[in-house]
Amino acid sequence: AQSVSQHNHHVILSEAASLELGCNYSYGGTVNLFWYVQYPGQHLQLLLKYFSGDPLVKGIKGFEAEFIKSKFSFNLRKPSVQWSDTAEYFCAVNARTGGGNKLTFGTGTQLKVEL
Amino acid sequence: ETGVTQSPTHLIKTRGQQVTLRCSSQSGHNTVSWYQQALGQGPQFIFQYYREEENGRGNFPPRFSGLQFPNYSSELNVNALELDDSALYLCASSLRASGAADTQYFGPGTRLTVL
Repeated sequence: AQSVSQHNHHVILSEAASLELGCNYSYGGTVNLFWYVQYPGQHLQLLLKYFSGDPLVKGIKGFEAEFIKSKFSFNLRKPSVQWSDTAEYFCAVNARTGGGNKLTFGTGTQLKVEL
Repeated sequence: ETGVTQSPTHLIKTRGQQVTLRCSSQSGHNTVSWYQQALGQGPQFIFQYYREEENGRGNFPPRFSGLQFPNYSSELNVNALELDDSALYLCASSLRASGAADTQYFGPGTRLTVL
Protein backbone atom coordinates (compact mmCIF):
# COMPACT_ATOMS: atom_id res chain seq x y z
CA ALA A 1 0.00 0.00 0.00
CA GLN A 2 1.18 3.50 -0.72
CA SER A 3 1.69 6.12 2.00
CA VAL A 4 2.72 9.76 2.13
CA SER A 5 4.68 11.56 4.85
CA GLN A 6 4.76 15.29 5.34
CA HIS A 7 7.39 16.08 7.92
CA ASN A 8 6.41 19.61 8.85
CA HIS A 9 2.99 19.90 10.43
CA HIS A 10 3.17 23.60 11.22
CA VAL A 11 5.46 26.16 9.60
CA ILE A 12 5.63 29.86 10.43
CA LEU A 13 7.55 32.19 8.11
CA SER A 14 7.96 35.90 7.63
CA GLU A 15 7.04 37.45 4.31
CA ALA A 16 9.78 37.13 1.68
CA ALA A 17 11.29 34.09 3.38
CA SER A 18 11.94 30.99 1.30
CA LEU A 19 9.74 27.94 1.71
CA GLU A 20 10.41 24.25 1.39
CA LEU A 21 7.85 21.67 2.49
CA GLY A 22 8.93 18.07 2.58
CA CYS A 23 6.97 15.17 1.12
CA ASN A 24 8.07 11.55 0.94
CA TYR A 25 6.04 8.64 -0.35
CA SER A 26 6.38 4.91 -0.19
CA TYR A 27 5.53 2.97 -3.30
CA GLY A 28 7.86 1.03 -5.51
CA GLY A 29 6.14 1.57 -8.83
CA THR A 30 5.36 4.49 -11.09
CA VAL A 31 3.49 7.33 -9.45
CA ASN A 32 1.71 10.56 -10.17
CA LEU A 33 2.41 13.26 -7.60
CA PHE A 34 0.39 16.28 -6.55
CA TRP A 35 0.41 19.23 -4.23
CA TYR A 36 -2.95 20.66 -3.23
CA VAL A 37 -3.57 23.83 -1.23
CA GLN A 38 -6.49 24.74 0.98
CA TYR A 39 -6.78 28.47 1.73
CA PRO A 40 -8.82 29.46 4.78
CA GLY A 41 -12.50 28.95 4.07
CA GLN A 42 -11.88 27.56 0.59
CA HIS A 43 -11.83 24.11 -0.94
CA LEU A 44 -8.83 22.05 -1.99
CA GLN A 45 -7.17 23.45 -5.10
CA LEU A 46 -4.51 21.92 -7.29
CA LEU A 47 -1.18 23.69 -6.90
CA LEU A 48 0.92 21.53 -9.23
CA LYS A 49 1.37 17.98 -10.44
CA TYR A 50 3.98 15.61 -11.81
CA PHE A 51 3.09 12.84 -14.23
CA SER A 52 6.27 12.35 -16.23
CA GLY A 53 9.11 14.22 -17.95
CA ASP A 54 11.01 17.10 -16.36
CA PRO A 55 11.18 16.34 -12.62
CA LEU A 56 11.05 20.04 -11.80
CA VAL A 57 7.48 21.18 -12.15
CA LYS A 58 6.09 24.66 -11.84
CA GLY A 59 2.67 25.45 -10.51
CA ILE A 60 0.50 28.43 -9.81
CA LYS A 61 1.51 31.44 -7.71
CA GLY A 62 5.25 30.85 -8.08
CA PHE A 63 5.34 27.42 -6.49
CA GLU A 64 7.50 24.62 -7.81
CA ALA A 65 8.28 21.05 -6.78
CA GLU A 66 11.04 18.62 -7.59
CA PHE A 67 10.51 14.90 -8.00
CA ILE A 68 13.56 12.94 -6.85
CA LYS A 69 12.83 9.32 -7.64
CA SER A 70 15.83 7.92 -5.74
CA LYS A 71 14.67 9.65 -2.58
CA PHE A 72 10.94 9.02 -3.09
CA SER A 73 10.46 12.73 -2.52
CA PHE A 74 8.40 15.55 -4.01
CA ASN A 75 9.26 18.67 -2.03
CA LEU A 76 7.41 21.92 -2.56
CA ARG A 77 9.32 25.19 -2.80
CA LYS A 78 8.73 28.89 -3.19
CA PRO A 79 11.59 31.42 -3.19
CA SER A 80 9.67 34.22 -1.47
CA VAL A 81 6.39 33.66 0.35
CA GLN A 82 3.60 36.18 0.72
CA TRP A 83 1.04 36.67 3.46
CA SER A 84 -1.58 35.32 1.04
CA ASP A 85 0.23 31.96 0.97
CA THR A 86 -1.10 31.23 4.46
CA ALA A 87 -2.92 27.94 3.95
CA GLU A 88 -2.76 24.21 4.48
CA TYR A 89 -0.71 22.27 1.96
CA PHE A 90 -1.27 18.61 1.12
CA CYS A 91 0.99 16.29 -0.80
CA ALA A 92 -0.75 13.39 -2.56
CA VAL A 93 0.35 10.38 -4.57
CA ASN A 94 -1.44 8.09 -6.95
CA ALA A 95 0.01 4.73 -7.86
CA ARG A 96 -0.19 4.53 -11.62
CA THR A 97 -1.88 1.18 -11.99
CA GLY A 98 -4.05 2.05 -14.94
CA GLY A 99 -7.15 1.78 -12.84
CA GLY A 100 -7.91 5.42 -12.34
CA ASN A 101 -6.69 8.00 -9.89
CA LYS A 102 -7.05 7.11 -6.20
CA LEU A 103 -5.13 9.63 -4.19
CA THR A 104 -3.29 8.97 -0.96
CA PHE A 105 -2.74 12.19 0.98
CA GLY A 106 -0.28 13.24 3.61
CA THR A 107 -1.53 14.75 6.86
CA GLY A 108 -0.91 18.28 5.62
CA THR A 109 1.32 21.21 6.56
CA GLN A 110 -0.23 24.32 8.01
CA LEU A 111 1.72 27.34 6.76
CA LYS A 112 1.37 30.71 8.42
CA VAL A 113 3.08 33.70 6.83
CA GLU A 114 3.51 36.70 9.09
CA LEU A 115 3.81 40.27 7.89
CA GLU B 1 -17.42 25.65 -17.06
CA THR B 2 -18.90 24.90 -13.65
CA GLY B 3 -16.81 23.40 -10.89
CA VAL B 4 -17.60 20.58 -8.50
CA THR B 5 -20.52 21.32 -6.22
CA GLN B 6 -21.68 19.48 -3.12
CA SER B 7 -24.80 19.57 -0.98
CA PRO B 8 -25.60 20.13 1.75
CA THR B 9 -22.85 22.32 3.16
CA HIS B 10 -23.42 21.23 6.73
CA LEU B 11 -25.39 18.39 8.27
CA ILE B 12 -26.06 17.24 11.82
CA LYS B 13 -27.22 13.70 12.47
CA THR B 14 -27.50 11.43 15.47
CA ARG B 15 -25.80 8.09 15.96
CA GLY B 16 -27.53 5.25 14.13
CA GLN B 17 -29.14 7.45 11.49
CA GLN B 18 -28.48 7.33 7.76
CA VAL B 19 -27.22 10.18 5.59
CA THR B 20 -26.98 10.93 1.87
CA LEU B 21 -24.50 13.44 0.50
CA ARG B 22 -24.62 14.70 -3.06
CA CYS B 23 -22.08 15.83 -5.61
CA SER B 24 -22.26 17.33 -9.08
CA SER B 25 -19.16 16.72 -11.15
CA GLN B 26 -17.34 19.34 -13.15
CA SER B 27 -18.71 19.60 -16.67
CA GLY B 28 -17.23 16.94 -18.98
CA HIS B 29 -15.85 14.75 -16.19
CA ASN B 30 -16.74 11.04 -16.06
CA THR B 31 -15.17 9.92 -12.80
CA VAL B 32 -16.04 10.83 -9.23
CA SER B 33 -14.16 10.03 -6.05
CA TRP B 34 -15.18 10.49 -2.45
CA TYR B 35 -12.87 11.26 0.46
CA GLN B 36 -13.30 11.62 4.22
CA GLN B 37 -11.23 14.31 5.94
CA ALA B 38 -11.18 14.11 9.71
CA LEU B 39 -10.06 17.14 11.68
CA GLY B 40 -6.31 17.65 11.43
CA GLN B 41 -5.88 14.89 8.87
CA GLY B 42 -5.48 14.61 5.14
CA PRO B 43 -8.35 13.32 3.02
CA GLN B 44 -8.79 9.54 3.01
CA PHE B 45 -10.03 7.76 -0.10
CA ILE B 46 -13.45 6.12 0.33
CA PHE B 47 -14.26 4.96 -3.20
CA GLN B 48 -14.35 5.98 -6.83
CA TYR B 49 -17.00 5.61 -9.52
CA TYR B 50 -16.38 5.47 -13.24
CA ARG B 51 -19.22 5.11 -15.72
CA GLU B 52 -21.64 4.32 -12.91
CA GLU B 53 -19.60 1.45 -11.49
CA GLU B 54 -17.43 1.33 -8.38
CA ASN B 55 -13.82 1.47 -9.50
CA GLY B 56 -11.81 1.03 -6.35
CA ARG B 57 -12.48 1.28 -2.65
CA GLY B 58 -10.48 2.38 0.35
CA ASN B 59 -10.51 0.94 3.86
CA PHE B 60 -14.10 1.81 4.69
CA PRO B 61 -16.86 -0.57 5.84
CA PRO B 62 -19.80 -1.57 3.62
CA ARG B 63 -22.11 0.86 5.39
CA PHE B 64 -20.40 3.47 3.20
CA SER B 65 -21.94 3.11 -0.25
CA GLY B 66 -22.31 5.24 -3.33
CA LEU B 67 -23.94 5.78 -6.66
CA GLN B 68 -23.00 7.54 -9.84
CA PHE B 69 -25.75 8.61 -12.20
CA PRO B 70 -25.78 8.83 -16.01
CA ASN B 71 -25.16 12.59 -15.80
CA TYR B 72 -22.08 11.76 -13.67
CA SER B 73 -23.48 13.26 -10.49
CA SER B 74 -22.98 11.12 -7.44
CA GLU B 75 -24.21 10.23 -3.98
CA LEU B 76 -22.45 9.00 -0.87
CA ASN B 77 -24.64 7.09 1.57
CA VAL B 78 -23.62 6.23 5.09
CA ASN B 79 -25.79 3.91 7.19
CA ALA B 80 -25.77 3.37 10.94
CA LEU B 81 -23.82 6.55 11.62
CA GLU B 82 -21.14 6.44 14.29
CA LEU B 83 -19.57 9.32 16.19
CA ASP B 84 -16.29 8.76 14.32
CA ASP B 85 -18.06 9.46 11.02
CA SER B 86 -18.00 13.15 11.92
CA ALA B 87 -15.78 14.69 9.26
CA LEU B 88 -15.62 16.75 6.10
CA TYR B 89 -16.68 14.66 3.11
CA LEU B 90 -15.08 15.69 -0.16
CA CYS B 91 -16.11 14.85 -3.66
CA ALA B 92 -13.63 15.09 -6.52
CA SER B 93 -14.26 14.72 -10.22
CA SER B 94 -11.90 13.96 -13.06
CA LEU B 95 -11.84 13.00 -16.70
CA ARG B 96 -10.50 9.52 -17.11
CA ALA B 97 -9.25 8.95 -20.64
CA SER B 98 -7.71 5.77 -21.96
CA GLY B 99 -4.00 5.52 -21.19
CA ALA B 100 -3.79 8.94 -19.60
CA ALA B 101 -3.40 10.05 -16.02
CA ASP B 102 -6.16 12.23 -14.68
CA THR B 103 -6.30 15.13 -12.26
CA GLN B 104 -8.94 15.38 -9.58
CA TYR B 105 -10.78 18.62 -8.85
CA PHE B 106 -12.40 18.95 -5.48
CA GLY B 107 -15.67 20.37 -4.30
CA PRO B 108 -16.10 22.45 -1.14
CA GLY B 109 -17.17 19.46 0.95
CA THR B 110 -20.01 18.60 3.30
CA ARG B 111 -19.34 18.95 7.01
CA LEU B 112 -21.09 16.06 8.79
CA THR B 113 -21.48 16.12 12.56
CA VAL B 114 -22.74 12.99 14.32
CA LEU B 115 -24.06 13.49 17.84
